[in-house]
Amino acid sequence: DAGITQSPRHKVTETGTPVTLRCHQTENHRYMYWYRQDPGHGLRLIHYSYGVKDTDKGEVSDGYSVSRSKTEDFLLTLESATSSQTSVYFCAIRIGTSGGQFFGPGTRLTVL
Amino acid sequence: QQQVKQSPQSLIVQKGGIPIINCAYENTAFDYFPWYQQFPGKGPALLIAIRPDVSEKKEGRFTISFNKSAKQFSLHIMDSQPGDSATYFCAASSGNAGNMLTFGGGTRLMVKP
Repeated sequence: DAGITQSPRHKVTETGTPVTLRCHQTENHRYMYWYRQDPGHGLRLIHYSYGVKDTDKGEVSDGYSVSRSKTEDFLLTLESATSSQTSVYFCAIRIGTSGGQFFGPGTRLTVL
Repeated sequence: QQQVKQSPQSLIVQKGGIPIINCAYENTAFDYFPWYQQFPGKGPALLIAIRPDVSEKKEGRFTISFNKSAKQFSLHIMDSQPGDSATYFCAASSGNAGNMLTFGGGTRLMVKP
């Protein structure tokens, strides 16, 4: 898993509650990414970070915010979870300059 | 707007067969084309990748063929095995856009013994 951990691995929450997912890497890679995976949609980029406090939006960023206060941690926050945000969330890092991204084990989030 | 289209959605082959998965892209700025393999309950794993300056790349039993003029690329799995049964995703990215990956919709491959 290229030194990537995600927490929690599973979470069930209710509509309207805030949720924060954590991605942690151990190798000081600059680029980190958050994707969501849904049946029929493949993986879609939510947000990414290119350094501490440097983030940008991806394809499906509405309803999500991110923060990166230190190199090793990239947090994804759902300010007020909705049922449409039920999904599997993957964090990824980019190693080197090749463009290849390596994914964490994922977090399965269910919003009731 | 789906910028990377993948086909077929599902594929069944016999052991030893050569499944072929195809992808087409629209954005000519893409300059990196990886394939990912995903098993149930796991994250996608980088399998093989190609850049547009070559037309073919082999790694073990996996081969990418790339056709720049047609904006298409494909994955071939030689001598497929039941352990290759997984979902495969093609993707594309541009170095000018933070290497953000745009994924195809995925192909669920089953290799029968």
